[in-house]
Formats: sequence, C-alpha cells, structure tokens
Amino acid sequence: QVQLVQSGAEMKKPGASVKVSCKASAYSLPSYDISWVRQAPGQGLEWMGWISAYNGNTNYAQKLQGRVTMTTDTSTTTAYMELRSLRSDDTAVYYCARFMTGTGGNSWFDPWGQGTLVTVSS
Amino acid sequence: DIQMTQSPSSLSASVGDRVTITCRASQIISSYLNWYQQKAGKAPNLLIYAATTLQSGVPSRFSGSGSGTDFTLTISSLQPEDFATYYCQQSYTIPITFGQGTRLEIK
Repeated sequence: QVQLVQSGAEMKKPGASVKVSCKASAYSLPSYDISWVRQAPGQGLEWMGWISAYNGNTNYAQKLQGRVTMTTDTSTTTAYMELRSLRSDDTAVYYCARFMTGTGGNSWFDPWGQGTLVTVSS
Repeated sequence: DIQMTQSPSSLSASVGDRVTITCRASQIISSYLNWYQQKAGKAPNLLIYAATTLQSGVPSRFSGSGSGTDFTLTISSLQPEDFATYYCQQSYTIPITFGQGTRLEIK
C-alpha cells in the first residue's frame, strides 16, 4: 500500500528554520512528483510547491519563494521541505502528497502524509 | 491566480439525504478539477479527479460533474461517515489553488 509517513511535530521560535521529512513506501519515489500543502489552524488548504523526485526540478508558490526549499533523497525514498525565517503565521499542519498527473494533464494529490504540526511561537 | 469558490460554506443534512456542493472557478479550467474529503484531525483524501472520475475505493454514492468553470460534487445518500469538510482543487495553472471548503454537518 502506497504510504507517506512524515516526521513529528515541531515547535520553533520566530526567525528559525524547520525541516519536515516525508518517507515514501510501496512505490518508486523517482516515478512521481511530491507536493507540499499546508493548513493553518481552522483554515483551508494552501499549496506550497512541488519537486520532481526524478530530476529535482522544483516549482514553489510565489509567496514562499526565497524561504522554502524542497529536496528528495532517492536512496532513502524521503522528501524534505525546509522553511526558513519562520513567522507566527507559518504555524500550520504541513502535508506532503504524491502529485499524480493523468493522461489529460490534470494533476491531483494522492495519497497524503499524515501531516506535521509546526508551531511558531516565542 | 485562479480563485475557487465553493458553496455553500457549510451545510446541515441528515443521513440518507442527497447533497450537492458547488465549486466555481474564476476562469475556465477545462476538467482540471479534483475533490477531497477531510475529516477532523486527518489528512485530506482524494474522492474524484478530472471532475468526474471516482478514485479507486471511493463509494459510488459520490459523483462529480461539470467542466469549464462550474463543477458539482454530489453525495446520493449521506452516510454517517460522510460528515466532513470537502475541498475542490484546480490544477489548470500554477499556483494550484483550493476552494475554501464546505463543512458538512449532521442535522
């Protein structure tokens, strides 16, 4: 069964960095892109960007450009998302998801990791 | 950015009811539209992709329709496990965007 397992909750101070991991199992990591989506408490879903696990190409949401880096390690089938210069409004649950693309070009997220709560507070 | 607007934002219904949730895109997105269900404290779960295709393992009481700018998610006969929040998502252009969500509650 395809599964994504994320690292545990983090508590960080403003200005710090956080790195969240996402380990894939039961499928070949380089075969699909990995995307990251976050959800602030009580809020909706916000796409952060994606990375090609095949060649490392990335595409980040404009509002996060310069603060976010997504990487993969195919030897450990793990994807990572690092967010720097953390602010209080970065407090959210961060999800990784396999980014699927159909023959018609539509793309969707399936499956999702269980989520990692990142709390930014002084 | 393409704005996705869901209606209603919340909905109360009873077990056995037929429920329809609407998602409207701010520009034409063809059939590049997906639906997710999210239960409290859990990750979203894919229900329908490409506007009308039911994801494997999803009950057939869920269906999707639409193309262009207007889309609907229908649950034909609500079951207790269907009370959750539902999101639409477009992949026509970057950035990928989601609707604000529709919270489905028990009446």
